[in-house]
Amino acid sequence: NAGVMQNPRHLVRRRGQEARLRCSPMKGHSHVYWYRQLPEEGLKFMVYLQKENIIDESGMPKERFSAEFPKEGPSILRIQQVVRGDSAAYFCASSGTGGLYEQYFGPGTRLTVT
Amino acid sequence: KNEVEQSPQNLTAQEGEFITINCSYSVGISALHWLQQHPGGGIVSLFMLSSGKKKHGRLIATINIQEKHSSLHITASHPRDSAVYICAVTHGGSQGNLIFGKGTKLSVKP
Repeated sequence: NAGVMQNPRHLVRRRGQEARLRCSPMKGHSHVYWYRQLPEEGLKFMVYLQKENIIDESGMPKERFSAEFPKEGPSILRIQQVVRGDSAAYFCASSGTGGLYEQYFGPGTRLTVT
Repeated sequence: KNEVEQSPQNLTAQEGEFITINCSYSVGISALHWLQQHPGGGIVSLFMLSSGKKKHGRLIATINIQEKHSSLHITASHPRDSAVYICAVTHGGSQGNLIFGKGTKLSVKP
């Protein structure tokens, strides 16, 4: 399967716990974008990463959220001390190059905070 | 006002009908994307275009840069086309991150 993979597909966390969402880009892709889709709302950009670099994090909430894309392994979006308002679908997309290249989306991780 | 506006928000059609979904944007763009989100939630990229027209099977996407407007057409619609169709733009000054419309929910009845 050469597509973008995300895991877990569904994640349930209690308020105050940590959530870790993983994204493995398509083979050969080194650019990853994270997007969030709140219930009944459109998708919103969160962060853009290349291997070992955060290129644009202008869409990330200022607190509790962080992202990384290490040299080896998947990109990780980390949410500390989750609150009910963090419940959403989190999608990652990858591209071979940044900018004007097509992005390929993963299936998403649906986070539910109870 | 959102930077990317779509119309209509909801659309119900009979199988076989010709469907048009519209997208207007208010920012300078490098490219415009049409995406399809199925009821299961997965997102598929249908088109990326910066000028003119593209066609893939029964789907046609057009863009008018001067008018800041794009349309997605579906010919001979089928119930399997039922999905949310999302217009997104790559802002001209961005690193490639997308700005999304709120989507058009299409339901095609047999």
